[in-house]
Amino acid sequence: AQSVTQPDIHITVSEGASLELRCNYSYGATPYLFWYVQSPGQGLQLLLKYFSGDTLVQGIKGFEAEFKRSQSSFNLRKPSVHWSDAAEYFCAVFRGAALIFGKGTTLSVSS
Amino acid sequence: NAGVTQTPKFQVLKTGQSMTLQCAQDMNHNSMYWYRQDPGMGLRLIYYSASEGTTDKGEVPNGYNVSRLNKREFSLRLESAAPSQTSVYFCASSGNPGGANVLTFGAGSRLTVL
Repeated sequence: AQSVTQPDIHITVSEGASLELRCNYSYGATPYLFWYVQSPGQGLQLLLKYFSGDTLVQGIKGFEAEFKRSQSSFNLRKPSVHWSDAAEYFCAVFRGAALIFGKGTTLSVSS
Repeated sequence: NAGVTQTPKFQVLKTGQSMTLQCAQDMNHNSMYWYRQDPGMGLRLIYYSASEGTTDKGEVPNGYNVSRLNKREFSLRLESAAPSQTSVYFCASSGNPGGANVLTFGAGSRLTVL
């Protein structure tokens, strides 16, 4: 069963505009949630994580994400996108003993 | 620190050939993982090793074998490669420090099977 859904395959945002990438999860227990970023030809870098506590978490590169249990969502946001943010973004949930990924959202940034 | 090191970075095989992807981590992590990444599919777990001496199947284990050689090393073997195994393979590890649920990834190994 799919544990993580990223509804948007590809998003284009103008440089300087705000960004929101959606992520929904299906997991009964309190989830451990993550966002990773992958630049072209690179490995994966952890942006931020949520384990418990404050539902708004801050990450690197000016990103933040909000955990909403009622909506089973963990959306990633950034107030002002830079051209260097163009990459593929993966939401993930730790289930059992390993990390389960969504299929990813590709972000393009237009000038 | 090197983190997670994978070799080789690129490999081309013919159908039916065998090969082993090597992975080593220098963070003293207990857990190690192998994922494959295909376009539009995200990363899918092949096998993982929660601790030295144990291995378990993930979502897509068919056609692969693994060996946790010691705490540092976790190899992935393709006994008889098939074109469907053309993919980018990522090794990862997790443990303290950093957190048991926080994975650190290698740079990836691109495998093409002709």
